[in-house]
Amino acid sequence: QSALTQPASVSGSPGQSITISCTGTSSDVGSYNLVSWYQQHPGKAPKLMIYEGSKRPSGVSNRFSGSKSGSTASLTISGLQAEDEADYYCCSYAGSSTSVFGGGTKLTVL
Amino acid sequence: QVHLVQSGAEVKKPGASVKVSCKASGYTFTSYYIHWVRQAPGQGLEWMGVINPSGGSTNYAQKLQGRVTMTRDTSTSTVYMELSSLRSEDTAVYYCARNAVHYSSSWYGSDGSDIWGQGTVVTVSS
Repeated sequence: QSALTQPASVSGSPGQSITISCTGTSSDVGSYNLVSWYQQHPGKAPKLMIYEGSKRPSGVSNRFSGSKSGSTASLTISGLQAEDEADYYCCSYAGSSTSVFGGGTKLTVL
Repeated sequence: QVHLVQSGAEVKKPGASVKVSCKASGYTFTSYYIHWVRQAPGQGLEWMGVINPSGGSTNYAQKLQGRVTMTRDTSTSTVYMELSSLRSEDTAVYYCARNAVHYSSSWYGSDGSDIWGQGTVVTVSS
């Protein structure tokens, strides 16, 4: 179970859109539509932003969206706001009732 | 209000075991899988395993096989995670998290976790 690959950092200015990629393999991201995305502020528990690839939980802004192409999933945040600055993690089902996280991406709002 | 409340911080010596509890409230305990995730200081999230509170079946990360055990007590709506043969690398914040989708609609119990416990700090030090 190798960790999914995410960029270490991304940045954007308020109002812009950014995309965070999450690359896996044909054994995880490529085989299942079960990628989830989490936002984590320092010292806090992770917060679910996207589940089952593209679904938003109740209460999550529609500025957050998820998609997938092949073995790469993506999280797009539009209309970037200062409070979006946080760490973001992807997670995918990896078969045999196991899951695997990405290494995390630090989003900086300039 | 749906909550997962975890037990308090632990300090353990290398080679010892730790058992962390996670008490669920506000929903039907047996209807949602519970995952355990840990985060070492300054590091990313690591999936540890999952338990089906209904039947008690479990699946663990290969890396932790043989050292981790997840159990549940349906009478108190509590799940437990026990990690044995502790080493310094096990120092981390340990989280329990509820699968977002009801078991009847979930193919694998790994759809994404919508409710998280507050985290339990486990420190392994001699």
